[in-house]
Amino acid sequence: EPEVTQTPSHQVTQMGQEVILRCVPISNHLYFYWYRQILGQKVEFLVSFYNNEISEKSEIFDDQFSVERPDGSNFTLKIRSTKLEDSAMYFCASSQDRGETQYFGPGTRLLVL
Amino acid sequence: KNEVEQSPQNLTAQEGEFITINCSYSVGISALHWLQQHPGGGIVSLFMLSSGKKKHGRLIATINIQEKHSSLHITASHPRDSAVYICAVSYPSFNQFYFGTGTSLTVIP
Repeated sequence: EPEVTQTPSHQVTQMGQEVILRCVPISNHLYFYWYRQILGQKVEFLVSFYNNEISEKSEIFDDQFSVERPDGSNFTLKIRSTKLEDSAMYFCASSQDRGETQYFGPGTRLLVL
Repeated sequence: KNEVEQSPQNLTAQEGEFITINCSYSVGISALHWLQQHPGGGIVSLFMLSSGKKKHGRLIATINIQEKHSSLHITASHPRDSAVYICAVSYPSFNQFYFGTGTSLTVIP
């Protein structure tokens, strides 16, 4: 069964460093998403992406964040200058159509020291 | 603000018990989703509902649009059902999920 994959599974970085989180959505899906979950808190929406551009973003998704689909398969989230409060689990998801079931990747656990 | 509330926050049950988890939301939605988050963190979509009832194995999900309320039922619960169950909603105008805080279920053998 097709699945969303994410790499790396864990990342530790120093405050101020740039990180890139990678996702491979399900191949025939058109909508892509990033969510984050701070430890002990609920999952929060960051951004949705369709047709090679951001379709929606939350107030969390400020100028330090960017997303890209550099080729036909990868979908990346870049955090330019990490802060301690960026430590969280980051989930990528994809869906075939707007409003349809979203399929989640296993997540990347980011720790900023 | 789009609020999604779940109850209970934590639930412990004996194996074999019938379990109900509730979700309520504040404004009209396009769909409600039930998700399962495993202890390792991975999230699996269980159901997407816009009306009525759906069943998959021992899991049943219902939604009452007028009352803005949904329930997830687990029949004959098993220790492998132990997980966090999350309710999320989507709206016609916004292409994102709004998540509840989750219900942590522990099923004891």
